Amino acid sequence: DSGVTQTPKHLITATGQRVTLRCSPRSGDLSVYWYQQSLDQGLQFLIQYYNGEERAKGNILERFSAQQFPDLHSELNLSSLELGDSALYFCASSVGVTQRDTQYFGPGTRLTVL
Amino acid sequence: DQQVKQNSPSLSVQEGRISILNCDYTNSMFDYFLWYKKYPAEGPTFLISISSIKDKNEDGRFTVFLNKSAKHLSLHIVPSQPGDSAVYFCAASDHGSSNTGKLIFGQGTTLQVKP
Repeated sequence: DSGVTQTPKHLITATGQRVTLRCSPRSGDLSVYWYQQSLDQGLQFLIQYYNGEERAKGNILERFSAQQFPDLHSELNLSSLELGDSALYFCASSVGVTQRDTQYFGPGTRLTVL
Repeated sequence: DQQVKQNSPSLSVQEGRISILNCDYTNSMFDYFLWYKKYPAEGPTFLISISSIKDKNEDGRFTVFLNKSAKHLSLHIVPSQPGDSAVYFCAASDHGSSNTGKLIFGQGTTLQVKP
């Protein structure tokens, strides 16, 4: 158990809908990351927050948005969902902000868009 | 454009033998490399890392080798154990992202260690 929790574990929805994925980081971690893993693909970095502020952005679609709240939990919002958004979404957290700070991953949320 | 490539989708080795997982990269600005291991229904877990100023880093049964001129790194597991059966991801970070945790991952290699 990494100490990172993600809810829900599974989510099935229809095209055009909007969903929210939630992540609680490990106690004491200030950075939260979101990654997307599509079928047969590696993990694609979406976005990083550090202590409530956006720190780094990857190839995150405009339909996707995220935020980190004062209690440090984070939410990833996906809107106008398309079939291609079906994927595993991982959240990770780390103490610090740099590449050298070990990232601890949650178990992921599997999103299926029908 | 895949900047980090793991060209072998799968690898099967016998228990007790050496497992060698390979990773190639294209971005010469990458200066920090990591390996993660992932079991089914779990998130990836950090295994070992190496900075570009080194060519080898060892942690118990796991050793990572970096060949900067070839833009290639490898993970050696000796001896391999059945519990090592998992998906292994190679990841990299570039100098320009040193103040962030942005990692670029490969597609992963599934390792099966047979008893």
